[in-house]
Amino acid sequence: DQQVKQNSPSLSVQEGRISILNCDYTNSMFDYFLWYKKYPAEGPTFLISISSIKDKNEDGRFTVFLNKSAKHLSLHIVPSQPGDSAVYFCAASVAGGTSYGKLTFGQGTILTVHP
Amino acid sequence: KAGVTQTPRYLIKTRGQQVTLSCSPISGHRSVSWYQQTPGQGLQFLFEYFSETQRNKGNFPGRFSGRQFSNSRSEMNVSTLELGDSALYLCASSLGQAKGTEAFFGQGTRLTVV
Repeated sequence: DQQVKQNSPSLSVQEGRISILNCDYTNSMFDYFLWYKKYPAEGPTFLISISSIKDKNEDGRFTVFLNKSAKHLSLHIVPSQPGDSAVYFCAASVAGGTSYGKLTFGQGTILTVHP
Repeated sequence: KAGVTQTPRYLIKTRGQQVTLSCSPISGHRSVSWYQQTPGQGLQFLFEYFSETQRNKGNFPGRFSGRQFSNSRSEMNVSTLELGDSALYLCASSLGQAKGTEAFFGQGTRLTVV
């Protein structure tokens, strides 16, 4: 049961343009969401997060939007740079209880930014 | 501030052997989680430790076990290795609070079982 889905395996964008990466989830108990960037054979690097009490969080070139009614979140990167080329994972968690420490990841989207 | 450190970076083991991986979390972080990444299954949660106690466990067989020491460093052990255990093993450290908090990952240990 894939509770977090990234339906686009890949995305190609021109340098300077906006990259929009999407993520859908099915578990309504998820209340904290994170985006990670990953290069092959390395650990994921934390980018940005958002709590379910918010609908937007911004950090420099990265903005995450959360639509709870649609169970959908997106990561916007503006402007995109060639160094942003990597695999992007969205992850979700449930605060406390029996879900301590557990992030549920999507399958990832490969972003390629062309110069 | 030092990041999450995992050792070793690479390991080659034979089927049937056992292996121990180590993770040192960010200073001040008391929660350590372990994940397995494979091409077919993606990133899968193994277990989480907080203050030397396992608080959460994923759907992996009992061959996968772990522990955490009083300094928050954690080890993961896999016994009776199978070919399918070949994967990138990642640990993540966080403050481990009840509310959502960011988890920071190490570089991972690439385990190859032959």
